Amino acid sequence: AAGVIQSPRHLIKEKRETATLKCYPIPRHDTVYWYQQGPGQDPQFLISFYEKMQSDKGSIPDRFSAQQFSDYHSELNMSSLELGDSALYFCASSLRPIEQFFGPGTRLTVL
Amino acid sequence: AQTVTQSQPEMSVQEAETVTLSCTYDTSESDYYLFWYKQPPSRQMILVIRQEAYKQQNATENRFSVNFQKAAKSFSLKISDSQLGDAAMYFCAYRSRFYTGANSKLTFGKGITLSVRP
Repeated sequence: AAGVIQSPRHLIKEKRETATLKCYPIPRHDTVYWYQQGPGQDPQFLISFYEKMQSDKGSIPDRFSAQQFSDYHSELNMSSLELGDSALYFCASSLRPIEQFFGPGTRLTVL
Repeated sequence: AQTVTQSQPEMSVQEAETVTLSCTYDTSESDYYLFWYKQPPSRQMILVIRQEAYKQQNATENRFSVNFQKAAKSFSLKISDSQLGDAAMYFCAYRSRFYTGANSKLTFGKGITLSVRP
C-alpha cells in the first residue's frame, strides 16, 4: 500500500538559511498535517490543510509557511533558520476523521 | 484545550512478561479518539491501537490492549508477552471526533521509553 512520502529525508542547513520540506500524502487523502518533534520531545502540531485550504494552525513560527498544491502535495517553507529549528518534521495524511498516517519524517539539522 | 499526560518517563519489562503504560487526559468534549503510537529508534510513528470514546468495549490488537476509563479520563496500554521489538518510545495521543479542521490535529503526551530485557 502507498504510504506518505517525505523529501528530503535529511537536510543540513546553516543558520539564517532557508529550507523547503516536501510531503506527498497517500492518494485520495484529503487532509495533510505537519508536526515538529524536537530531540527527546513529543510531536507538536504546526499546521494542517483540508482540500488544499489551511484548516488549522498550531505553534508555527512566523518564519515558517506552508501550502498545499493542486496535486495535494504540501510544502513547508522555513526561512531565517535558527539552531532551535533542528528537529524531525513529520507529515501525516488522513481520509475521514480517524487515523493519521505518518511519513518517515525529515531530519533537519541547523548548524 | 485538551491535554495528555504521561507521567512515567521510562519503564522496563522482562521479555515475555506483561507491562502497562499509563496515560491520562483532560477534555471537555464527550466524543473523541485516543491512540497509542510507537516510535522505535528509526523514529517512524507507528499506530499501535485506537479507542473511540463512545465505545465502552476496550480495544485490542493482538498482544496490545487498552484499559479505557472514560469517567477517570484514563487510557492505559497493556503489552502482553513482551518482545524485544517492543522496545521503543510510546506516545499517547488525543483527537477530537468532530472532523473540522480545527479539531482534527493530534495532541500527544510526552511519551514513555520502554525497554525490554532479554
